[in-house]
Amino acid sequence: GESVGLHLPTLSVQEGDNSIINCAYSNSASDYFIWYKQESGKGPQFIIDIRSNMDKRQGQRVTVLLNKTVKHLSLQIAATQPGDSAVYFCAENMRNDKIIFGKGTRLHILP
Amino acid sequence: EPEVTQTPSHQVTQMGQEVILRCVPISNHLYFYWYRQILGQKVEFLVSFYNNEISEKSEIFDDQFSVERPDGSNFTLKIRSTKLEDSAMYFCASSLGGPRQPQHFGDGTRLSIL
Repeated sequence: GESVGLHLPTLSVQEGDNSIINCAYSNSASDYFIWYKQESGKGPQFIIDIRSNMDKRQGQRVTVLLNKTVKHLSLQIAATQPGDSAVYFCAENMRNDKIIFGKGTRLHILP
Repeated sequence: EPEVTQTPSHQVTQMGQEVILRCVPISNHLYFYWYRQILGQKVEFLVSFYNNEISEKSEIFDDQFSVERPDGSNFTLKIRSTKLEDSAMYFCASSLGGPRQPQHFGDGTRLSIL
């Protein structure tokens, strides 16, 4: 069935270290994936996306990795900063007009 | 930078009453969406809207929900007879060319049903 989820609800990372946020999806028909960042009191903010014909995509300080074999998606944030504190959601799309969000991981930055 | 705006930021309504949540999407966007987020939970898709009609809806979007684009700028979500379980944050989003282009979200309306 439709299921996009995350392995850990909370992740604490030292400022300056790299963060890796993981996501597992169960629907093989999904072929487009997105990472969103949600700060407290705000709506989700698009970070980066990836289509299923790719296994890696890089943005500014962020990299998304897609492993279709094990249905796994990850978001890597380089040199984590205090402003990266937020809840991160992965989301998927299956060639329709619907985006399915996962449960979210809260990223805490330790000083 | 253009943004999606939602009003009101907080709506308190008695159970059984009708409520209308309003959104002004980004002006050149063609696809519009409503999502809801119950406190502390994930964001749930409700409906997508394109070319003046619903293009996709979830199981949550039952007969008590409706959407409308009454003019060239507003996009509304109406809940006809609210229930306690409708209490949530409701987010509007828009995208230029469909869900495979970045969706821009508003900051939401917090709906509290008493």
